[in-house]
Amino acid sequence: GNSVTQMEGPVTLSEEAFLTINCTYTATGYPSLFWYVQYPGEGLQLLLKATKADDKGSNKGFEATYRKETTSFHLEKGSVQVSDSAVYFCALSDQGGSEKLVFGKGMKLTVNP
Amino acid sequence: DAGITQSPRHKVTETGTPVTLRCHQTENHRYMYWYRQDPGHGLRLIHYSYGVKDTDKGEVSDGYSVSRSKTEDFLLTLESATSSQTSVYFCAIRDRGPTDTQYFGPGTRLTVL
Repeated sequence: GNSVTQMEGPVTLSEEAFLTINCTYTATGYPSLFWYVQYPGEGLQLLLKATKADDKGSNKGFEATYRKETTSFHLEKGSVQVSDSAVYFCALSDQGGSEKLVFGKGMKLTVNP
Repeated sequence: DAGITQSPRHKVTETGTPVTLRCHQTENHRYMYWYRQDPGHGLRLIHYSYGVKDTDKGEVSDGYSVSRSKTEDFLLTLESATSSQTSVYFCAIRDRGPTDTQYFGPGTRLTVL
């Protein structure tokens, strides 16, 4: 079946550090890939997405590139801020669009000033 | 904000009692979802709906039922709550517009004693 494996953390970084959160997937066909973020006490928000190989999603300084050859969709940010402290989820949808999402277990990030 | 509200936001109940959680949306989306979030598991799909009176099971549907009698409301019922159903429950809708994305409600924290 379809699955997503991501770094689980928790991870603590200092402000302005570089962030990478690894995400790999197993799926049939050509899934769409997503990163969602959950701030404390809130629901999940879409951070970025990519729908085909070599697409790069980007938002709020975060980037992720859909790598079909390595079945990966790693999330990166060059300089994190305290406000980036949250839980980050990688997800895939194998039915086109976002009809049914399969999530990774999430990774909690804390950024200290 | 996709106009999603969940009620109640917090509930404490006892084992064996029935519980109903409500998800309400204001934007006439066809697809609605119920997930549960547990530490170490990320988000897991319980049930989803693709139209009024059209529902299907997700990954962890045992012990849960759903109903959708009108577009704006999607109800999740625990017929006889168990301690293993202590969790945070999230409702989501699928926006099939240009971004084709799922948007999440604020969540309901349920504790079964």
